[in-house]
Amino acid sequence: DAKTTQPNSMESNEEEPVHLPCNHSTISGTDYIHWYRQLPSQGPEYVIHGLTSNVNNRMASLAIAEDRKSSTLILHRATLRDAAVYYCILRDRWGAQKLVFGQGTRLTINP
Amino acid sequence: NAGVTQTPKFRILKIGQSMTLQCTQDMNHNYMYWYRQDPGMGLKLIYYSVGAGITDKGEVPNGYNVSRSTTEDFPLRLELAAPSQTSVYFCASSGLSSGSTDTQYFGPGTRLTVL
Repeated sequence: DAKTTQPNSMESNEEEPVHLPCNHSTISGTDYIHWYRQLPSQGPEYVIHGLTSNVNNRMASLAIAEDRKSSTLILHRATLRDAAVYYCILRDRWGAQKLVFGQGTRLTINP
Repeated sequence: NAGVTQTPKFRILKIGQSMTLQCTQDMNHNYMYWYRQDPGMGLKLIYYSVGAGITDKGEVPNGYNVSRSTTEDFPLRLELAAPSQTSVYFCASSGLSSGSTDTQYFGPGTRLTVL
């Protein structure tokens, strides 16, 4: 599986936008970029995924670089409930039932 | 829908004891997974199943066994508990195998301590 690199931790203020970066320089053409997050004492939950184009959903936006070697998860207006560990994961289009979790980015939101 | 449920929530075992972690999903998903998460680390896949009667090893299967007799249930068995198995265990399920659209749904976890 191609690897991803994320900062260990980030901090932001409530009601401000948050940009969480992810580097994946060895990404292949068939890899999708998935983001999951894990709230304290809970199991991970799906946030968003994309292939080439930027994606939006009710939780977040995903901005993918033109060369696909990096991506950014954007929380438009962070709340205290968004404090979590965010995982950026590459998944092959045709297989890879497993999710390969790195250590993720621990996001702290200040009130 | 309850989603993915796990029991028990917490358990303390003595070295050498055995136990079964239960996992049930009510979404009629074919795929089910067991992960473990050690403190400060990401999750690692133990076993997974692509349907009733079919299971396969993940990244860290040693010391564990699984079975899948129904679509809904995917129990994880620890035969001879060791301190290295102290961890939080998460069960997950998904409806598709494709990495393009497969969303995994996770249970709340079982916190296991082996002393």
